[in-house]
Amino acid sequence: AQTVTQSQPEMSVQEAETVTLSCTYDTSESDYYLFWYKQPPSRQMILVIRQEAYKQQNATENRFSVNFQKAAKSFSLKISDSQLGDAAMYFCAYGSNYQLIWGAGTKLIIKP
Amino acid sequence: EAQVTQNPRYLITVTGKKLTVTCSQNMNHEYMSWYRQDPGLGLRQIYYSMNVEVTDKGDVPEGYKVSRKEKRNFPLILESPSPNQTSLYFCASSKHDSALYNEQFFGPGTRLTVL
Repeated sequence: AQTVTQSQPEMSVQEAETVTLSCTYDTSESDYYLFWYKQPPSRQMILVIRQEAYKQQNATENRFSVNFQKAAKSFSLKISDSQLGDAAMYFCAYGSNYQLIWGAGTKLIIKP
Repeated sequence: EAQVTQNPRYLITVTGKKLTVTCSQNMNHEYMSWYRQDPGLGLRQIYYSMNVEVTDKGDVPEGYKVSRKEKRNFPLILESPSPNQTSLYFCASSKHDSALYNEQFFGPGTRLTVL
């Protein structure tokens, strides 16, 4: 069965600095998708970034980028120029066969 | 405004009292799904539906029922709630019959407490 592991329950970063959130997954499939979702205190789930497994190029969305290492089954999220509004829970998710498997989440704290 | 709505947003109930959490989307999405979120466990899928009258179990379907009679609605039914179903519930939808290739849009969540 597929699993998603986020080994950092909590991370903190100084405002304007860069932080990387880790995610590893386990699968025997070759075709799948990976996602990072953000959940601020409002509880709303917001898609941050998406990566197709067959694409070697790492996805980027403004200040957010991923480091996708398919062989290592690693999918980390880098947030550059951290802002106070980035404070949230971040969830990594693996998608295949009409299901999303989620990690336990990483709480990101931004220090002003 | 494109959105997924859930009702109620908060609910406190007692063991055994049947309840329904409604979910509705106005984006004409084929795919809809229910998740529960518990601390330290992330989100776990309860049921999903790829289209009208097509539903399937997720990872934690025990104690829940769903129906998809209309494309826009996907209610979650707890026939006999128990305290271990106390959780935060999310409904989500996607515009393709596979949620994997498109962004899932989430509702605001329903905080359920079963006493």
